[in-house]
Amino acid sequence: EPEVTQTPSHQVTQMGQEVILRCVPISNHLYFYWYRQILGQKVEFLVSFYNNEISEKSEIFDDQFSVERPDGSNFTLKIRSTKLEDSAMYFCASRLIMANEKLFFGSGTQLSVL
Amino acid sequence: KNEVEQSPQNLTAQEGEFITINCSYSVGISALHWLQQHPGGGIVSLFMLSSGKKKHGRLIATINIQEKHSSLHITASHPRDSAVYICAVRSGGGADGLTFGKGTHLIIQP
Repeated sequence: EPEVTQTPSHQVTQMGQEVILRCVPISNHLYFYWYRQILGQKVEFLVSFYNNEISEKSEIFDDQFSVERPDGSNFTLKIRSTKLEDSAMYFCASRLIMANEKLFFGSGTQLSVL
Repeated sequence: KNEVEQSPQNLTAQEGEFITINCSYSVGISALHWLQQHPGGGIVSLFMLSSGKKKHGRLIATINIQEKHSSLHITASHPRDSAVYICAVRSGGGADGLTFGKGTHLIIQP
């Protein structure tokens, strides 16, 4: 089965530093997402991206966050100035076309902000 | 805002038992997903439902739109079914992001 690939699997950074989390969605998919899961809590929606622009974002996705699809394969999440509370597992996901199609998740990037 | 509640939060059962996990939501939806999360953290999509019932192997998912309720059943449970099972909904009105439940932590003992 095709896979969504995320790198790195674990990233440690100092508070205030910028981090970029990278994802390679499935090649023919058109919709891309970032979700996060703080340890012990439920998964939360951050942002959806389609046709090179944000299609929806949550309250969590403030000015510190940005997403980009710099080329035909990568999809990135940037956190400009990390805070301790940004420590979480970040999941990338993608789907093909129809809104009610199966979502494919990456294995996640564990971000630790010290 | 949709509220997604799952029950039970934790479930321990013996191998071979029939398992039921429940999910209820507060606002009408366009789709409901059942997901599986293993200890390493990765999330796998099991089912996407907008009505009726779906079956895949030993897993069965049902949804009652009028009752705003869905169930995930596992027949002939096996220790490898041990995982966290998560219900997530896509609300109507053009929303794209999913709202997740807290998950049900299932342990199947041999």
